[in-house]
Amino acid sequence: EIVLTQSPDTLSLSPGERATLSCRASQRVSSSYFGWYQQKPGQAPRLLIYAASSRATGIPDRFSGSGSGTDFTLTISRLEPEDFAVYYCQQYGSSSWTFGQGTKVELK
Amino acid sequence: EEQLVQSGAEVKKPGESLKISCKGSGYSFTSYWIGWVRQMSGKGLEWVGIIFPGDSDTRYSPSFQGQVTISADKSITTAYLQWSSLKASDTAMYYCVRKDSSGYIDYWGQGTLVTVSS
Repeated sequence: EIVLTQSPDTLSLSPGERATLSCRASQRVSSSYFGWYQQKPGQAPRLLIYAASSRATGIPDRFSGSGSGTDFTLTISRLEPEDFAVYYCQQYGSSSWTFGQGTKVELK
Repeated sequence: EEQLVQSGAEVKKPGESLKISCKGSGYSFTSYWIGWVRQMSGKGLEWVGIIFPGDSDTRYSPSFQGQVTISADKSITTAYLQWSSLKASDTAMYYCVRKDSSGYIDYWGQGTLVTVSS
């Protein structure tokens, strides 16, 4: 089973700052099958990025994804108040999924 | 409009059985995998398993294999997650999700909170 490890666990930032979230896989992951989700309190998660770098419908361009192999990154270029949330990476191989443990982006 | 609507919250005792549901609408139910994701209070997301309603092909996470059963009734476009004997450790929010043809999760249900307590 592929293990995804996100870092840091918590990121304390102010609105307008840049957020860089990392996700490392225990073995190589196809970029085609890697994504990022955002979850706000009391809500179901929503898809932000799929195929490592493609933004989902309706996702603002301040969100971007990059990476390949075992190292992937989600970048929020300028934090807006609504971006403070928990972010999860996910790999979705042919027969199994795994999620990272999450990175909380909190208000500094 | 594509949507997944889950059954309501449940409160059960240890040892009881339970079956929660997820009704898909607004799309071809038999053409997409439906998965289940667990989230314990204050914790992260865990993949439980997935089913293809078109032929009932089912896969389970190793962590949940033998602990739950996933099924689907395509005649009523509904997927299910069931337990035969609940434990307190099954207490969690359970989300049903739709897997896009490219593999990522494009739709989430609203979640079903399962509480198991004596």
